[in-house]
Amino acid sequence: DARVTQTPRHKVTEMGQEVTMRCQPILGHNTVFWYRQTMMQGLELLAYFRNRAPLDDSGMPKDRFSAEMPDATLATLKIQPSEPRDSAVYFCASGWIIAGVPSEQFFGPGTRLTVL
Amino acid sequence: AQSVAQPEDQVNVAEGNPLTVKCTYSVSGNPYLFWYVQYPNRGLQFLLKYITGDNLVKGSYGFEAEFNKSQTSFHLKKPSALVSDSALYFCAVRDGDTGRRALTFGSGTRLQVQP
Repeated sequence: DARVTQTPRHKVTEMGQEVTMRCQPILGHNTVFWYRQTMMQGLELLAYFRNRAPLDDSGMPKDRFSAEMPDATLATLKIQPSEPRDSAVYFCASGWIIAGVPSEQFFGPGTRLTVL
Repeated sequence: AQSVAQPEDQVNVAEGNPLTVKCTYSVSGNPYLFWYVQYPNRGLQFLLKYITGDNLVKGSYGFEAEFNKSQTSFHLKKPSALVSDSALYFCAVRDGDTGRRALTFGSGTRLQVQP
């Protein structure tokens, strides 16, 4: 049963520390997404990759956040330095797009980040 | 630009009654529409989608949705609600005529089914 995996599931850190979240998309999917979910803002798109190339990271604070896909089996989201307002649940999702038609997205279980 | 609206923060329904969760969208081209459900402390799960074809789409767990182009709506429905349907529901849209955009999600509607 293929699924998106995310590590760590929970992370508590202090303000100013670097945080790295990892995601393994489903094998064969060619799109990967990073979302952030908070009570106040709801679900926000941070970054979108297609065939490992970043297509849209307009929702990501560029000064402290970075997203990469070093290979097809790994996507990373880094925050440096972290701030208390970054506390949220971060979801990774993967899917595919063929001839411009997107599939449904498959979401990972999320990383719950708390920045003290 | 593409956008989606879920006008109700919460919907309450008694078990066994029909339920409707509303969604309206705005796109410049043809829409691709999706519904997802989120249970507590879980990621979103796909329920159903409309890409093209029949306006009535059937999905998982007995849910269905009707695409209405004239009203730009894609309401989620179920004939008989279960307590276990209580969750957060998200509608999402992508403009079919734009190649680079990801899905835009609504703000979510919390469905509460009372026994």
